[in-house]
Amino acid sequence: GAGVSQSPSNKVTEKGKDVELRCDPISGHTALYWYRQSLGQGLEFLIYFQGNSAPDKSGLPSDRFSAERTGGSVSTLTIQRTQQEDSAVYLCASSLTGAKGLVEQYFGPGTRLTVT
Amino acid sequence: QKEVEQNSGPLSVPEGAIASLNCTYSDRGSQSFFWYRQYSGKSPELIMSIYSNGDKEDGRFTAQLNKASQYVSLLIRDSQPSDSATYLCAAPNAGNNRKLIWGLGTSLAVNP
Repeated sequence: GAGVSQSPSNKVTEKGKDVELRCDPISGHTALYWYRQSLGQGLEFLIYFQGNSAPDKSGLPSDRFSAERTGGSVSTLTIQRTQQEDSAVYLCASSLTGAKGLVEQYFGPGTRLTVT
Repeated sequence: QKEVEQNSGPLSVPEGAIASLNCTYSDRGSQSFFWYRQYSGKSPELIMSIYSNGDKEDGRFTAQLNKASQYVSLLIRDSQPSDSATYLCAAPNAGNNRKLIWGLGTSLAVNP
């Protein structure tokens, strides 16, 4: 079946502009995660959505970052007033929710954001 | 601070050898563990998940879990140059079983 999709694959923007990154999870997956990965660095958790519960926003680096998930499916990550340090690959992942809380996450291809 | 730790490498092995990748974790409550492979410029790809003490085999890959020692490893038999990648270890935050704690990854180079 279809995997996680993300768009755009690449985004170049000027400092100070707003950007929106989109994630379409695997159908039926109730959990959706956003991560950030800077060049040569590990995965940095940003936010996750679980069903209809309030999202866990504990990883968002500043109030310039926000995300929403509409209808329990597609999610949009918005970065306002972008800064050069926001340049990174933004990864989305989704997972099922099992009785044992299994959390195998499946990643999309990512969006490479470059702020000039 | 709950952590997952891996040697950054690079780990270099000859083609056909066994590559052994190791991971330790601090949260004793973690119940499941995951190995991901990440090629340069690509997103992480799930290779193995393991939930019980002991070994789990899938093709050339074997995951080994020792909860008493808080240690999980990944063995790759008959290593191929195409296995050259960064391998990430992850474990759930025991206080929040839906959120993973990620290691920084071990870089593996398989030399022809």
